[in-house]
Amino acid sequence: QQPVQSPQAVILREGEDAVINCSSSKALYSVHWYRQKHGEAPVFLMILLKGGEQKGHDKISASFNEKKQQSSLYLTASQLSYSGTYFCGTGVLPLSFGAGTTVTVRA
Amino acid sequence: DAGVTQSPTHLIKTRGQHVTLRCSPISGHKSVSWYQQVLGQGPQFIFQYYEKEERGRGNFPDRFSARQFPNYSSELNVNALLLGDSALYLCASSQASTGIGSPLHFGNGTRLTVT
Repeated sequence: QQPVQSPQAVILREGEDAVINCSSSKALYSVHWYRQKHGEAPVFLMILLKGGEQKGHDKISASFNEKKQQSSLYLTASQLSYSGTYFCGTGVLPLSFGAGTTVTVRA
Repeated sequence: DAGVTQSPTHLIKTRGQHVTLRCSPISGHKSVSWYQQVLGQGPQFIFQYYEKEERGRGNFPDRFSARQFPNYSSELNVNALLLGDSALYLCASSQASTGIGSPLHFGNGTRLTVT
């Protein structure tokens, strides 16, 4: 079962914040986050393993709520380099990926 | 260290033909997964191999097959190509057999176009 991501797309100006949500109908043991730039392979950002744990990658952080079977990715003070499509992946291998959230950061 | 390498990078085939895609994982990684990514969608799981054994298979027809070699490299084969097989095929390697705590490292993919 694929996780559901929202929103589908978001447009930001540099310095603005955004939140991307990922929810699953199945119990979650871990959540992966990846970013894919146009024409490139997905790149690993972080894995969340414990309920409520927050991790960070630069000014990108995430939370994981096991009870709600949800994870959220927070883009803080966005930079141009944050543009791309963000995917959450859930489950043990194989991972099931959401449809992605396309983030466009404009100057 | 070299990342995950895939070949070829681009391929154009005709309906009904056969194609073989190749993947070399990161050194030390024993797990290889194959994903199909259609434009505008997330990667869809096709196969996972760990230590040369198939560990999982996605919802793809029997025209799709794969194998892993003793050096952990892998091949994905697709027979009787259909127009709908046109996609980016991604290979990902990881150290562990499960995704818990073990990130996937993706190659740059093979862009397959079926005409």
